[in-house]
Amino acid sequence: AQTVTQSQPEMSVQEAETVTLSCTYDTSESDYYLFWYKQPPSRQMILVIRQEAYKQQNATENRFSVNFQKAALSFSLKISDSQLGDAAMYFCAYRPATGANSKLTFGKGITLSVRP
Amino acid sequence: DTAVSQTPKYLVTQMGNDKSIKCEQNLGHDTMYWYKQDSKKFLKIMFSYNNKELIINETVPNRFSPKSPDKAHLNLHINSLELGDSAVYFCASGLFSGNTIYFGEGSWLTVV
Repeated sequence: AQTVTQSQPEMSVQEAETVTLSCTYDTSESDYYLFWYKQPPSRQMILVIRQEAYKQQNATENRFSVNFQKAALSFSLKISDSQLGDAAMYFCAYRPATGANSKLTFGKGITLSVRP
Repeated sequence: DTAVSQTPKYLVTQMGNDKSIKCEQNLGHDTMYWYKQDSKKFLKIMFSYNNKELIINETVPNRFSPKSPDKAHLNLHINSLELGDSAVYFCASGLFSGNTIYFGEGSWLTVV
């Protein structure tokens, strides 16, 4: 079974600084997708960034980028120039590319606080 | 205009009652999901439907009964509510052979 591990329950970053959130996963699949979702206090699930496993290039979305290490089964999120609005819970998630079991499996999440 | 919409957003009810949460998506997706987020904020899948057919059922108590009248709708009915059912329930949708899954805003269920 696929598992997603976020070992850090909480992190804090100074406004305008850079922070990296860690995630590892376990899979025997060769083709899959990885995601980071942001959940603010409103509990809305907001897609931050997506990575296709077949792509070697790391995904980037404005201030958000990932470090995808397929061999190491690692998928970290880097937030540059942190803003107060980045404070939220962040979930790493995995989805196999094919098959009837093509569901999203989430890590336990990490709470990010941003210090002004 | 909302992509995945679920109602109601808030629901407070007594133990033993029966309640339903409705979900609709206008994204043209063929697969829909129900996820439960517990008090520790852990997100776990409950059910998935593809083109109205159940494809995932993650050992959820049979008090929970999903119904998909068409591929744009997936409703969740809960019988004999228990205190432990208190959670945020998320509806989501995506393409079976696609990548991203999109979430509704969540339905906050409190059982008292």
